[in-house]
Amino acid sequence: DIQMTQSPSSLSASVGDRVTITCRASQGIRNYLAWFQQKPGKAPKSLIYGASTLQSGVPSKFSGSGSGTDFTLTISSLQPEDFATYYCQQYNSYPYTFGQGTILEIK
Amino acid sequence: QVQLVESGGGVVQPGRSLRLSCAASGFTFSSYNMHWVRQAPGKGLEWVAVIWYDGSNKYHADSVKGRFTISRDNSKNTLYLQMSGLRAEDTAVYYCARDQEDFDYWGQGALVTVSS
Repeated sequence: DIQMTQSPSSLSASVGDRVTITCRASQGIRNYLAWFQQKPGKAPKSLIYGASTLQSGVPSKFSGSGSGTDFTLTISSLQPEDFATYYCQQYNSYPYTFGQGTILEIK
Repeated sequence: QVQLVESGGGVVQPGRSLRLSCAASGFTFSSYNMHWVRQAPGKGLEWVAVIWYDGSNKYHADSVKGRFTISRDNSKNTLYLQMSGLRAEDTAVYYCARDQEDFDYWGQGALVTVSS
């Protein structure tokens, strides 16, 4: 199975900041990488697929990059609604696997 | 609009069975692969199973293989997860999700609690 490792596990930031979350795959997954946002008590929401393609309706403050084994999610100009947990997921091969999550908290 | 609505969750004793359903609407259900993903209380996301659009292929996570079975009825626009031999560690919110390259739509989730 492909292991997905996110860092950091938690992150404190202020409104207006720019933050970056990284995701590393245990083996190459080409660009079959997605990012999700989850708020407490809610289903995950798709942000990015194909490592860098923004899901429809997702603001351009979110951006993704990477290929192979190393990926990043960048969120610019943080707003209160952006504070949530973020997950990466590989869909290169079954079983699909998620990172452990990054909790983005307000400083 | 696309909607996925799970049902069938509840409290069940260890070793017993339960079937979850996911009713789909707002899109051509028979054209999409569908997944189940679960989340134990306070934990991260775990992929459970996938079924291809026509039911021709299915894959299950090792953690549920031999105990859970994914299926679908395209005439009813419904996805299922038959769970048997339930264990305490299967306690989770179970989400169904549509596969459009990534999981672009998710249901609201169904809570399954395995407890005596």
